[in-house]
Amino acid sequence: DIVMTQSPDSLAVSLGERATISCKSSQSVLYSSNPRNYLAWYQQKPGQPPKLLIYWASTRESGVPDRFSGSGSGTDFTLTVSSLQAEDVAVYYCQQYYSTPYTFGQGTKLEIK
Amino acid sequence: EVQLVESGGGLIQPGGSLTLSCAASGFPVSDNYMSWVRQAPGKGLEWVSVIYTGGTTFYADSVRGRFTISRDNSKNTVSLQMNSLRAEDTAVYYCAGALIRGLFDYWGQGTLVTVSS
Repeated sequence: DIVMTQSPDSLAVSLGERATISCKSSQSVLYSSNPRNYLAWYQQKPGQPPKLLIYWASTRESGVPDRFSGSGSGTDFTLTVSSLQAEDVAVYYCQQYYSTPYTFGQGTKLEIK
Repeated sequence: EVQLVESGGGLIQPGGSLTLSCAASGFPVSDNYMSWVRQAPGKGLEWVSVIYTGGTTFYADSVRGRFTISRDNSKNTVSLQMNSLRAEDTAVYYCAGALIRGLFDYWGQGTLVTVSS
């Protein structure tokens, strides 16, 4: 199984400042034949289902604000919120869809400082 | 508009069985990769099972042999038959789907399953 590890577990950032979340996979999720990274990011607010933000490691889902961006390749990935807004308070998960079992990181709780 | 609505959750005793249903609208489940993802109270997300467009199914080790995913194209629904339920199966179960294998693009609101005596 591919283990996904996020850091930090929680993060407090001032409004308007940058937030960066790291995600590392225990093996590469880059498909050599495409080549694409099978890595997604989700946002989950309290009492709501998760929402897809980023897929293929860096492709923003339709309707997602451009302050959210994803980067990385292979085993190391980053989600960046360039200018934190109050509505961005949530738990963020990375997920690999390279192979079953599809696995998530443990989540990073993003709060306002 | 794409919508997923789960039903069938509730309180069940250990060892019991329950079937969850996910009704889709706005897209055909047959053309999408449909999954169940669960979230134990206060915990993270755990993928449970997927049914591919061609009908192939996969399961997490924790549920293999106890849970069965299926699809009814005529009703545009996906189901999860859960047998031999354990306390550790207690969670909100989300139905999720996408056109890309393994991705979870659209989600239902979830249905709570509580396994307790």
